[in-house]
Amino acid sequence: EAQVTQNPRYLITVTGKKLTVTCSQNMNHEYMSWYRQDPGLGLRQIYYSMNVEVTDKGDVPEGYKVSRKEKRNFPLILESPSPNQTSLYFCASSPNGVGSGRLNTEAFFGQGTRLTVV
Amino acid sequence: DAKTTQPPSMDCAEGRAANLPCNHSTISGNEYVYWYRQIHSQGPQYIIHGLKNNETNEMASLIITEDRKSSTLILPHATLRDTAVYYCIVNRGSTLGRLYFGRGTQLTVWP
Repeated sequence: EAQVTQNPRYLITVTGKKLTVTCSQNMNHEYMSWYRQDPGLGLRQIYYSMNVEVTDKGDVPEGYKVSRKEKRNFPLILESPSPNQTSLYFCASSPNGVGSGRLNTEAFFGQGTRLTVV
Repeated sequence: DAKTTQPPSMDCAEGRAANLPCNHSTISGNEYVYWYRQIHSQGPQYIIHGLKNNETNEMASLIITEDRKSSTLILPHATLRDTAVYYCIVNRGSTLGRLYFGRGTQLTVWP
């Protein structure tokens, strides 16, 4: 089954304790990205990757890191989490950049990771 | 910010057609219109997309006006499971693949 898998689904942590949220897709997609969703602010892109070893900042990258060493994995790293990073996080993948004009540009989203930083 | 305007909420009777409007008056010639939905904090789900022609798939139909300044997503026979936030997105910018989600429309389907 084609899917994007995030882990963990729920996480409560303390300020300053490094954490990683994993994201894996089994569709051989080139493009992957991370979003956060907050009440009243909607979904905002954190980072994206257009292929292995190619990453770039989205709209709200501060406090986050990513890596893309393999095509299927795109972990989100919070080196020193703070309470303002409490949010619902989504990973997404697509065959190529959505809006590129190529066919099959549907983006697939994971089920989300609800992170609470206290 | 997303270049789209949607009503914050709508409702629809089960079995009837749900017509969700979206204004995107500043859309560029090579920008696509995408629709996604999100059911109660689950991951957003792709519905349909189009450039200038009307599109239909197993989930919905997308009607884009001739001037491309607005579009309508049609769920022909809404069910309770269609209750969700629906996002109309116009892909913009030179960087491929950045989806800009706005506030969306909360569609409530009632029995």
